[in-house]
Amino acid sequence: DIQMTQSPSSLSASVGDRVTITCQASQDISNYLNWYQQKPGKAPKLLIYDASNLETGVPSRFSGSGSGTDFTFTISSLQPEDIATYYCQQYNTFGGGTKVEIK
Amino acid sequence: EVQLVESGGGLVQPGGSLRLSCAASGFTVSSNYMSWVRQAPGKGLEWVSVIYSGGSTYYADSVKGRFTISRDNSKNTLYLQMNSLRAEDTAVYYCARGVVGATWTFDYWGQGTLVTVSS
Repeated sequence: DIQMTQSPSSLSASVGDRVTITCQASQDISNYLNWYQQKPGKAPKLLIYDASNLETGVPSRFSGSGSGTDFTFTISSLQPEDIATYYCQQYNTFGGGTKVEIK
Repeated sequence: EVQLVESGGGLVQPGGSLRLSCAASGFTVSSNYMSWVRQAPGKGLEWVSVIYSGGSTYYADSVKGRFTISRDNSKNTLYLQMNSLRAEDTAVYYCARGVVGATWTFDYWGQGTLVTVSS
C-alpha cells in the first residue's frame, strides 16, 4: 500500500494567517489526492479533489497543489470557522491529519 | 438533496456481530461506489470497505474475512455486516458516497454511528 505522510500533525496560527499543510506519498500518485476538513463531532467534508480542484461551495481561500509525490494544502487567510482537522487521502489511505487551532 | 443516514451502532461484546445500515436519499446507491470509513476515538480516518456500482467489493486487511459490505437496491441502503468483533473495531463508522468519474473521492458522508466493542 502507498503510505501518506502528512505534516505537521498540528499547528496554531492567527486569524488572517496563511496556513500550509503538506502531504507526501511514498510513490507517484499523479494527481489522485483529496483533502477533507473534519470539525469536532462532525463527518469529514470534501474540500479539494484531484489535488487542486475546489469542491463546489467551498470558499476560495482553500486551495491545493502538487502532483506525483508532493502535495500542498493552503488556507490563504485563516478564519475562526476553519478550526478543524484536515486530512489528505489517496485511494484507500488517509494521512494522519493536521489539527488547526487559533493562536 | 443527497442524504446518508447511518444506524445500527451500539455496544457489543468481543466476538459478537452487528449490522450497520446507511439509508440513502437523493441518489441511487447502485449508481455510485460507496464506502465505509471508520474513526477510532481520538484517532484519524481509516478506510474499511468499498462496493462498486458493478458489485465488486474490497476490504481493508484489518477487517477482511470478518466484515461484509452489501447494498439493497430496493431500499436504497448500504450495509456493513460486522462479525467476530474486536476491541480495536471500536469506532465511529461513516458511510460515504463516491463521486462517479473520480477516483476514490467521497463527496457526501453520513453523520456516523458509534460501535463500541467491550465486555
